[in-house]
Amino acid sequence: AQSVAQPEDQVNVAEGNPLTVKCTYSVSGNPYLFWYVQYPNRGLQFLLKYITGDNLVKGSYGFEAEFNKSQTSFHLKKPSALVSDSALYFCAVRYGNKLVFGAGTILRVKS
Amino acid sequence: DTGVSQDPRHKITKRGQNVTFRCDPISEHNRLYWYRQTLGQGPEFLTYFQNEAQLEKSRLLSNRFSAERPKGSFSTLEIQRTEQGDSAMYLCASSPGAGGPSSTDTQYFGPGTRLTVL
Repeated sequence: AQSVAQPEDQVNVAEGNPLTVKCTYSVSGNPYLFWYVQYPNRGLQFLLKYITGDNLVKGSYGFEAEFNKSQTSFHLKKPSALVSDSALYFCAVRYGNKLVFGAGTILRVKS
Repeated sequence: DTGVSQDPRHKITKRGQNVTFRCDPISEHNRLYWYRQTLGQGPEFLTYFQNEAQLEKSRLLSNRFSAERPKGSFSTLEIQRTEQGDSAMYLCASSPGAGGPSSTDTQYFGPGTRLTVL
């Protein structure tokens, strides 16, 4: 079965510094990978996805993610963090008709 | 705003009562999904519709749960005889499904309905 793991419950970073939120996956076949962000008491907002092609995927709000097949990873990155980026981030893999989500990583950006 | 909408946003009910939630997908999206999210966890898949047909149901969806999507537009999720374990955020999502494989569709989520069962 497809699954993703987010090894960090929380990531702390100073405003202006680069950020990385980690995700590793386990799939059979081609991986279709997604990142979503969730603000308190809100639904999930789509950030970006990897289907095929270029390993570096660019998404919304200046986020990007790097697909690494050999390391089975799909880490979310941003060159310069903003306080407003503080939220809960989910990595997900497509499995048939559904998305299978990781447990989420809380990102805290301090000014 | 033409995003996915859900109603109500919050529902408090007593154990044993029935509740119904509504989801309005993005216009012209053929595919609709329901997920459940409990505190500290990622969303878990409940069920999936392609137009009005319910094509997949999770084992999480006990026989107290029923979902419909009449006419392939809005969807309802009903929980009968609610239990305290049903307390969660219920999320609806939709995706275009315009002839392409569902595996590459992007799912767009609504704001969710937070259910509290007392």
